[in-house]
Formats: sequence, C-alpha cells, structure tokens
Amino acid sequence: QLQLQESGSGLVKPSQTLSLTCAVSGGSISSGGYSWSWIRQPPGKGLEWIGYIYHSGSTYYNPSLKSRVTISVDRSKNQFSLKLSSVTAADTAVYYCARVADSSGYSAFDIWGQGTMVTVSS
Amino acid sequence: DIQMTQSPSSLSASVGDRVTITCQASQDISNYLNWYQQKPGKAPKLLIYDASNLETGVPSRFSGSGSGTDFTFTISSLQPEDIATYYCQQYDNLYTFGQGTKLEIK
Repeated sequence: QLQLQESGSGLVKPSQTLSLTCAVSGGSISSGGYSWSWIRQPPGKGLEWIGYIYHSGSTYYNPSLKSRVTISVDRSKNQFSLKLSSVTAADTAVYYCARVADSSGYSAFDIWGQGTMVTVSS
Repeated sequence: DIQMTQSPSSLSASVGDRVTITCQASQDISNYLNWYQQKPGKAPKLLIYDASNLETGVPSRFSGSGSGTDFTFTISSLQPEDIATYYCQQYDNLYTFGQGTKLEIK
C-alpha cells in the first residue's frame, strides 16, 4: 500500500527558505496517472493547495505563492520536495504531501502523508 | 481564481440525524468537485470525488450531488465517528478548498 512521509526542518527563521521532502513507499513515484502535491494548513484554519508536479515533470503552483515556490522530484530516491522562499510567520502551518489521482476524468488527493508542522520564528 | 464557499461553517447534530452541507463555486465548475473529511490531528481523507462518486471503502451513508456552481454533501444517518471537519475542493482550474464545515454532536 502506497504511503507518504514528510520530513524536513520544523523551525525556519523569517526570510529563509523552508525545505521539505516527501518520501514515497510502497509504489513508484513514476507511475503514470498520478501527480504529487503539497498542501498546507495554518493552525486552526483551512486547507491551502500549494502546488503539484505532474508525472511528466511539469509543475503548477498556487498563484498566491507562485513567486516563492519550487516543487521538484527525485525519481532515483522515489521522493519529491518543496522549497518555499522568503518565509514569514504567515507560512507557519502543517504541511502535507499528497498523491493526486489524475486519470479517468477526475483529479483528487487520494493519499496523504501524516503532515509535518513547520514554524517560522526567529 | 475560483472561490469555494461552504455553509454552514459549523453544525451540531444528533446521532442518527441527516446532515447536509452545501458548497458553492464562484463560477461553473461542472462536476469537478471533491469532498474530504478531516478528524482532529489527522490528514484529510477523500470521501467523494467527481461530485457524486464514493471513494472505495467509504460508508454508503455519505453521498454527494450537484453540478455547475451548487453542490451538496449528505450524511444520511450521523454516527459518532463522523465528527470531523468537512471540506469541498474544486479541480476545474487548479485546486481550491472551501473553508470547511465543523460537525459536532449535539
């Protein structure tokens, strides 16, 4: 069964770059019909989609974050990554990685990691 | 950007009640809508995709309907384990979530 696991720094200083990795186990990140996404949730608030990387390598980002976000994939390690630059306290959130089931005419986040809390503070 | 508006923001109901949550899109999104359940401290879980299709393994008391701009999510008979926050999400143009509906037991 496919599983996702986030890892990375839990504390980032303002103006620095947040870096997270999502390890995929139980399946290949190169499987056709799937994309890989990052979603975040500030404490006590709702979900915000950050971006995703298509199985072809194309990337799509939330317009509100686009200038600061980079999502990449390392197929040799079966993982994908998120970098968010110039962070502020507003970027404090639980960050989730998720698989996007992207075939058969629909698109949904069908498998999620457990989430990792990132705090932006000096 | 497509905005998603859920109502109500919170809801209190009794075990066995029929519960309905609505989600309105700021423009026509056809049937490109999903519903998720999030329990406290947990990742969201996909319940309904493509507006009305039940994800494998999800109990049949959950259902979804609608198209265009207006969508409905229903729990036919509320169970104690259904206490959670529910989110709609569109995928017509990138992805946007509704603000969530927190469901509590009365």
